Amino acid sequence: KAGVTQTPRYLIKTRGQQVTLSCSPISGHRSVSWYQQTPGQGLQFLFEYFSETQRNKGNFPGRFSGRQFSNSRSEMNVSTLELGDSALYLCASSKKPGQGGTGELFFGEGSRLTVL
Amino acid sequence: QKEVEQDPGPLSVPEGAIVSLNCTYSNSAFQYFMWYRQYSRKGPELLMYTYSSGNKEDGRFTAQVDKSSKYISLFIRDSQPSDSATYLCAMPRSGAGSYQLTFGKGTKLSVIP
Repeated sequence: KAGVTQTPRYLIKTRGQQVTLSCSPISGHRSVSWYQQTPGQGLQFLFEYFSETQRNKGNFPGRFSGRQFSNSRSEMNVSTLELGDSALYLCASSKKPGQGGTGELFFGEGSRLTVL
Repeated sequence: QKEVEQDPGPLSVPEGAIVSLNCTYSNSAFQYFMWYRQYSRKGPELLMYTYSSGNKEDGRFTAQVDKSSKYISLFIRDSQPSDSATYLCAMPRSGAGSYQLTFGKGTKLSVIP
């Protein structure tokens, strides 16, 4: 069974640009969460989507947004990039919301964003 | 004070050693405790999941929870070079019918052959 797939795996952008990252969850999984990982702050929750609706949002500015499509695939967008947005962005999927609380959360390998 | 504190290491041990990894937390609402393992250039994968205080064993791994002290540990017996990875503790918090995981910053472990 294929795991969580994230694209692109690596990308380089400059300050002020915007970026869109894509996530395809495990087949049958309908909930998608996004996390940002940096050396300074570690892993931080961005948002969770289920049935095309945002269920929960972390403490990030409005420049960070996301959406989920009817096939459960998800995208996140960061506008007006700042140097501090350089990070590994991880997508995780589960069958339904709340399973992050029971350990049934599966992570992709991440998209590594570098902002110059 | 961060909700979850974890010594980032790095921690270097010889093969066969017993490894102890620890986290402290401040939020009494945390009821579930997890350990994730993250290899270089990979996403985290769930290693252990516990709910109650006490010990839970899975092969060479033992997770220990002390809710009275707000302290959790992961022990690795007979450590192997393949255990070299970053270990993250995580605790879920509910909100709006969903859960978000609060992670420690992770401890980087190297097991030297």
